[in-house]
Amino acid sequence: DGGITQSPKYLFRKEGQNVTLSCEQNLNHDAMYWYRQDPGQGLRLIYYSQIVNDFQKGDIAEGYSVSREKKESFPLTVTSAQKNPTAFYLCASSKAGVGTDTQYFGPGTRLTVL
Amino acid sequence: GEDVEQSLFLSVREGDSSVINCTYTDSSSTYLYWYKQEPGAGLQLLTYIFSNMDMKQDQRLTVLLNKKDKHLSLRIADTQTGDSAIYFCAESRDTGRRALTFGSGTRLQVQP
Repeated sequence: DGGITQSPKYLFRKEGQNVTLSCEQNLNHDAMYWYRQDPGQGLRLIYYSQIVNDFQKGDIAEGYSVSREKKESFPLTVTSAQKNPTAFYLCASSKAGVGTDTQYFGPGTRLTVL
Repeated sequence: GEDVEQSLFLSVREGDSSVINCTYTDSSSTYLYWYKQEPGAGLQLLTYIFSNMDMKQDQRLTVLLNKKDKHLSLRIADTQTGDSAIYFCAESRDTGRRALTFGSGTRLQVQP
């Protein structure tokens, strides 16, 4: 089955720790995205990558980092510099990274800071 | 103000039609999307419409686009309890940044 997987589904972090959220896709999509969702709000873009070894900051990149070493994988690290990291994180991918390409989403990771 | 706006809540009875509205501000929007999110889950693409179209129908779903007023709507015919979810409107723009801009979502509650 083709799709996007995210792991873990739930993640708990102590203050001051870095954590990495996994996102993998087997859709052969070039572009991948990370969004953050807070209760009662829409999705906000953290980082995106249109091609391997290249990525760009979104609207709320501070306190986050990413890498894109493989086409299939786009991990997101939430660093201790992120002041309010508790949220639902969604990964998405699209075919060619152009504005008209449809984005498909993974099931999400819920991060809670203890 | 927000780039994409939606009303927060809609309640309908089972079997009725639901109409969820969205307004956007960027005239360069190329595609407009409707996504559905069930509790604790990711977003499921429902349908999308290209900005040069006025209407698109897909089974129980009808999308209407008024480009002049920058207004998008999603009509769900014969609404079922399984349609209860949050519905997000999103736009993509043919600019350097290739990502979607989302509304804050409309929570649809279907009463039996």
